[in-house]
Amino acid sequence: AQSVSQHNHHVILSEAASLELGCNYSYGGTVNLFWYVQYPGQHLQLLLKYFSGDPLVKGIKGFEAEFIKSKFSFNLRKPSVQWSDTAEYFCAVNANSNYQLIWGAGTKLIIKP
Amino acid sequence: NAGVTQTPKFRVLKTGQSMTLLCAQDMNHEYMYWYRQDPGMGLRLIHYSVGEGTTAKGEVPDGYNVSRLKKQNFLLGLESAAPSQTSVYFCASSRGLDLGNTIYFGEGSWLTVV
Repeated sequence: AQSVSQHNHHVILSEAASLELGCNYSYGGTVNLFWYVQYPGQHLQLLLKYFSGDPLVKGIKGFEAEFIKSKFSFNLRKPSVQWSDTAEYFCAVNANSNYQLIWGAGTKLIIKP
Repeated sequence: NAGVTQTPKFRVLKTGQSMTLLCAQDMNHEYMYWYRQDPGMGLRLIHYSVGEGTTAKGEVPDGYNVSRLKKQNFLLGLESAAPSQTSVYFCASSRGLDLGNTIYFGEGSWLTVV
């Protein structure tokens, strides 16, 4: 069965630190990859997505993610985090372009001011 | 635009009671989804709909029923609530099957079954 792993359930960083959140998936075929973010008290919203082309994808608010096919990974990065990045981050994978997204368990990110 | 709206946002039920969660979207989306989110787990798809009058089972459909009588509304029903159904429920919608279309989420509904 397809699965998505986010290895860190909680991450605490200071402002201006660099961020990398891991996401690995278990599917050998063509995949579409997503990162969603849920700020406190708000909707889940799309941060960035990868469908094809350049494996380095840039999203909103300075986030980027790199698709490494050989490692089945789609890690999320930001060079310098801000207090406002405190949120829960979810990785999701779609295989074979069907309707269903398979979701990781989420990573709660806390940024200390 | 309101986007995706869920009601109620919070509810406490006794075991065996029934209830319905309502999801409404104003984006004219064909696809609508109900997910549940539990601690330490990703979102899991309960049921989904690919258009008015259609419904289909997702990953964890047992104990739930859904209806899509109008394109803009997607109802999730619990006929006989169980403590295992304590969860946060998210409704979502999207334009179509092509996942180049973003999925939009509601704010969530916190359900506790005692």
